[in-house]
Amino acid sequence: QSVLTQPPSASGTPGQRVTISCSGSSSNIGSHNVNWYQQLPGTAPKLLISTNNQRPSGVPDRFSGSKSGTSASLAISGLQSEDESDYYCAAWDDSLNGPVFGGGTKLTVL
Amino acid sequence: QVQLVESGGGVVQPGRSLRLSCAASGFTFRYYAMHWVRQAPGKGLEWVALISDDGFHEFYADSVKGRFTISRDTSKNSLYLQMNSLRHDDTAVYYCARGTAGMGEVAYFDYWGQGTLVTVSS
Repeated sequence: QSVLTQPPSASGTPGQRVTISCSGSSSNIGSHNVNWYQQLPGTAPKLLISTNNQRPSGVPDRFSGSKSGTSASLAISGLQSEDESDYYCAAWDDSLNGPVFGGGTKLTVL
Repeated sequence: QVQLVESGGGVVQPGRSLRLSCAASGFTFRYYAMHWVRQAPGKGLEWVALISDDGFHEFYADSVKGRFTISRDTSKNSLYLQMNSLRHDDTAVYYCARGTAGMGEVAYFDYWGQGTLVTVSS
């Protein structure tokens, strides 16, 4: 059972917009920034969104992040086949005194 | 460019020890906190340990506290994870990841290694 809650799966067709939610509590998302990671099959994770809504260099502007209260979300617009991947949210947790991850969301492009 | 290369994984019996290494290059190692993150087969990501840039502060997940020790050697630009009393549920790919400058008390990992597989099996 992960500290941050994500839906296990999401799907969309090419060109669609999909969102992935990440729910936490006051000790993590409510108090700290959220970062999102993309993990393509068989590869190491990659930083996708930092500090709730910042895209690192090289990340397409189709990816965006937001945070409100104890929840965050990742949005992907203009869905492409190469977006098929696992996505994880993460935040520092004051109670556990360490970073916590969501359980991950497997995105399928239909 | 930033590179992190893990080594030291392998098959080990329950109760035994293993030491992982992570060689860092392409950035000023002593300026950054460093993490270990693991991923059991078919499962999600689990943070394991964090060491501050100066090496004086360490943080551990409850699942490894008292069994694992994170350390760093600035002279060798290397990060280590000493794993003792290994259990079946420690089986995972172990990634080293770069954190922020300073203490690193943020869930921010901007560069990751390719990972090294640890299998705990009798």
